[in-house]
Amino acid sequence: SAVISQKPSRDICQRGTSLTIQCQVDSQVTMMFWYRQQPGQSLTLIATANQGSEATYESGFVIDKFPISRPNLTFSTLTVSNMSPEDSSIYLCSSNDRVGTEAFFGQGTRLTVV
Amino acid sequence: GNSVTQMEGPVTLSEEAFLTINCTYTATGYPSLFWYVQYPGEGLQLLLKATKADDKGSNKGFEATYRKETTSFHLEKGSVQVSDSAVYFCALSKNSGYSTLTFGKGTMLLVSP
Repeated sequence: SAVISQKPSRDICQRGTSLTIQCQVDSQVTMMFWYRQQPGQSLTLIATANQGSEATYESGFVIDKFPISRPNLTFSTLTVSNMSPEDSSIYLCSSNDRVGTEAFFGQGTRLTVV
Repeated sequence: GNSVTQMEGPVTLSEEAFLTINCTYTATGYPSLFWYVQYPGEGLQLLLKATKADDKGSNKGFEATYRKETTSFHLEKGSVQVSDSAVYFCALSKNSGYSTLTFGKGTMLLVSP
């Protein structure tokens, strides 16, 4: 499977600011996914990002809070906007490179909002 | 909707002990089932998978069998090593397309020498 590089690996941010997380895949992929893992919780899907179209958000997540870019088939960004301490989580980028194959993941971004 | 329930951790074992991490699921249709592992400081890695009932996934000495009658996919290993210390996630996906995953909360495994 392909390899995903995600950065930053961790950050500590002030409330009210925004952070953009980058996700780079070493091959072209159709679908990219962004997940959130809050402390002690499951991974929860935030949105699905296709190249050339707007991201599709899951219930409870909105574009104004989590804008996503997908400028090409190897790259995506997730921005966490106007952060509050409740946004402190691990954010993970994921993809699968062919239909029906299992997903692979970046190493995650551990975000702490103070 | 779909959901995955796995046992609470941490699970603490001595080296060479037998490991079981329980996982049950709720889903419509016939999902694929996965175990992912997250070693300290690293991303999630696929450990094993099973795509239909009675399939057994195996890798690195770990095994799990897709039991539709009990809606379970328990992870087992006969003899754990210190290097197996990690967080283990059970997950499911629809069995077609570019499927997103529904995860359990994860179970931390700590193996001591």
